Amino acid sequence: AQKITQTQPGMFVQEKEAVTLDCTYDTSDQSYGLFWYKQPSSGEMIFLIYQGSYDEQNATEGRYSLNFQKARKSANLVISASQLGDSAMYFCAMREVRRGNQFYFGTGTSLTVIP
Amino acid sequence: DAGVIQSPRHEVTEMGQEVTLRCKPISGHNSLFWYRQTMMRGLELLIYFNNNVPIDDSGMPEDRFSAKMPNASFSTLKIQPSEPRDSAVYFCASSYYSAVTNEKLFFGSGTQLSVL
Repeated sequence: AQKITQTQPGMFVQEKEAVTLDCTYDTSDQSYGLFWYKQPSSGEMIFLIYQGSYDEQNATEGRYSLNFQKARKSANLVISASQLGDSAMYFCAMREVRRGNQFYFGTGTSLTVIP
Repeated sequence: DAGVIQSPRHEVTEMGQEVTLRCKPISGHNSLFWYRQTMMRGLELLIYFNNNVPIDDSGMPEDRFSAKMPNASFSTLKIQPSEPRDSAVYFCASSYYSAVTNEKLFFGSGTQLSVL
C-alpha cells in the first residue's frame, strides 16, 4: 500500500483565492511526522510546514496551514490568498519516527495560480 | 549554515561512462538520503544512511549504482556504467535523526544528469 497518496495530479486556483491540496497517509505507528514541500520550476525543494502526530492543533506557517484529521489519516495543505509565485509542485511526506528515519513522499500535485 | 551542497549542478556524459555525484550534508546531521526525480517516476528514494551506515538501499535500481558515506560530511553516488535511462535529477538530502523527535529533510539543489 502507498504510504502517502496525493490524488490530485494538477490543480488550478484563481489568484487571491484559497486552495486545498489533498494528502492521505498510511501508518500503524502512533508517532510520525507529516511534511509539505514546494518545488517551483527552478527545481529546489522547499520545506513549507510540519505537523506532528501528537500535535492537537493544526500547524500554520504564514499563508500555509495544515488541515490534520488524524482519524481520517489526512493532512491537507491549505494555501490562503494564492499568489502567482505559489505555482509549483507540492509534495506531501511522512516520517515514521521509530522506523529508522524513512521519509515517504507522495507523487505530488502541480498547482497553477491563474491571474 | 551553507545547507546541503551537491556537485556538480549539471553533468552531461556519454553512455558507458562513470558518473560520480557528490554531497556534503549539513553539519550535525546524521542522516543522509539520495533521491532520484524523473517525470515518469516522480521522486524515488535510492538509499539512505544513518550515522554513515546504509540503512535501506532497496531503491537502488541495479548494481550499476553504488553509494558511499565514508564520513559524516561527505557522500557519493556512483553510476558505472551510465545509461540514457539514468538521466534524471538526483537530490541529496540530510536530516537529524532521533527516535523520539521529528526533523525535516533539507534538500540540496540537485544534480541534473544527462546521459547521451
